[in-house]
Amino acid sequence: AQSVTQPDIHITVSEGASLELRCNYSYGATPYLFWYVQSPGQGLQLLLKYFSGDTLVQGIKGFEAEFKRSQSSFNLRKPSVHWSDAAEYFCAVGEFGNEKLTFGTGTRLTIIP
Amino acid sequence: DAGVIQSPRHEVTEMGQEVTLRCKPISGHNSLFWYRQTMMRGLELLIYFNNNVPIDDSGMPEDRFSAKMPNASFSTLKIQPSEPRDSAVYFCASSPQGSGANVLTFGAGSRLTVL
Repeated sequence: AQSVTQPDIHITVSEGASLELRCNYSYGATPYLFWYVQSPGQGLQLLLKYFSGDTLVQGIKGFEAEFKRSQSSFNLRKPSVHWSDAAEYFCAVGEFGNEKLTFGTGTRLTIIP
Repeated sequence: DAGVIQSPRHEVTEMGQEVTLRCKPISGHNSLFWYRQTMMRGLELLIYFNNNVPIDDSGMPEDRFSAKMPNASFSTLKIQPSEPRDSAVYFCASSPQGSGANVLTFGAGSRLTVL
């Protein structure tokens, strides 16, 4: 069965600093990988996805993620965070031919001035 | 596009009462998902439908929970009788077929509080 681990429950970053959120997955074949963001009281919004091809994928709001098969990781990065990036971030894994996604437990991001 | 529409946004009820949550997926999307979010368990998939047919309901907690999708534009999640441990945010999501499969669009959620 596929699974996702987000080892950091809560991260605090200064505004303007760089960000990296970690995600590790467990899946036998090549996974489909996703990052979603959830602002307070809102639903989840897709930031970016990886299906195949270039292992560095660009998303919305200046985010990017890199798929590393050797490390079973799909870490999310942003070079300079803004106060509006404060939210909860979820990594998810899916597979070809099966539409459901399995989500990690999320990482809450706090931005300090 | 109005997105995935869920109602009610907030529901407060007493233990033992029936609760019905509603979802309207994005027009043209073939798959619909119900997720539950709690602090303790995170996001859990309860059930999903493809072309109105339930495909996987292994996440439905127990017989008190039921879900239906009578047509392509409407789904319900019912809890009867409700219990305090059902308090959570329930999300509906939909996705298209083909190259967009697996890309879920979520509704804003229904926050349920069972007293």
